[in-house]
Amino acid sequence: QLQLQESGPGLVKPSETLSLTCAVSGDSTTTIKNNYYWGWIRQPPGRGLEWIGIISYGGTTYYNPSLNSRVTVSGDTSRRQISLELISVAAADTAVYYCVTTVRVGNSIYIDFWGQGTLVAVSS
Amino acid sequence: QSVLTQPPSVSAAPGQKVTISCFGSDSNIGNNFVSWYQQLPGTAPKLLIHDNSKRPSGIPDRFSGSKSGTSASLGITGLQTGDEADYFCGTWDSNLYAWVFGGGTKLTVL
Repeated sequence: QLQLQESGPGLVKPSETLSLTCAVSGDSTTTIKNNYYWGWIRQPPGRGLEWIGIISYGGTTYYNPSLNSRVTVSGDTSRRQISLELISVAAADTAVYYCVTTVRVGNSIYIDFWGQGTLVAVSS
Repeated sequence: QSVLTQPPSVSAAPGQKVTISCFGSDSNIGNNFVSWYQQLPGTAPKLLIHDNSKRPSGIPDRFSGSKSGTSASLGITGLQTGDEADYFCGTWDSNLYAWVFGGGTKLTVL
């Protein structure tokens, strides 16, 4: 079974860049499968889930259109890490950020594993 | 504003059955599989149902999913107090080329 562990600063100043890393451990066969995507989802306090974006094993990325101009998801398969960068943050970016894995086989796509999440607050 | 529409809350008594709906459109639910996620208080979400109706290993058969056209439903039978949680539906949107969620439904077991 996969384990996902997010890490990064818990406080970021407005207009600066939010940077998070996710370390993937556990089932190594699963993590390198071509039909697996790694990505990020966030949840503002007391609110619903917002999908941020994913990256495939081959490096193909898909982003939430509302965040596309500010977000970058990257991956290092050799180090089994993925990263999130969100530029020009504002208070509305305060949220718990989850690292997730997504299975995609044909028309079947679903998020199967979630990290425990890390709270990032945007404040001066 | 979520792309998928869920009722904000549902409630039922222990032992009873509840159904949570999720409404979308042709570009998401209508042409893609739906999954459901359970978020217990203070924890990360967990996969409950994928591919409309399939349960991952370890998920009790009290949980079931279905889809018809551009809507999907999550059913929970034999309600327990431990089922109190937020439930989210999700799917891929072929027009947005992005994953979309419902706004979430808070289940209260009275």
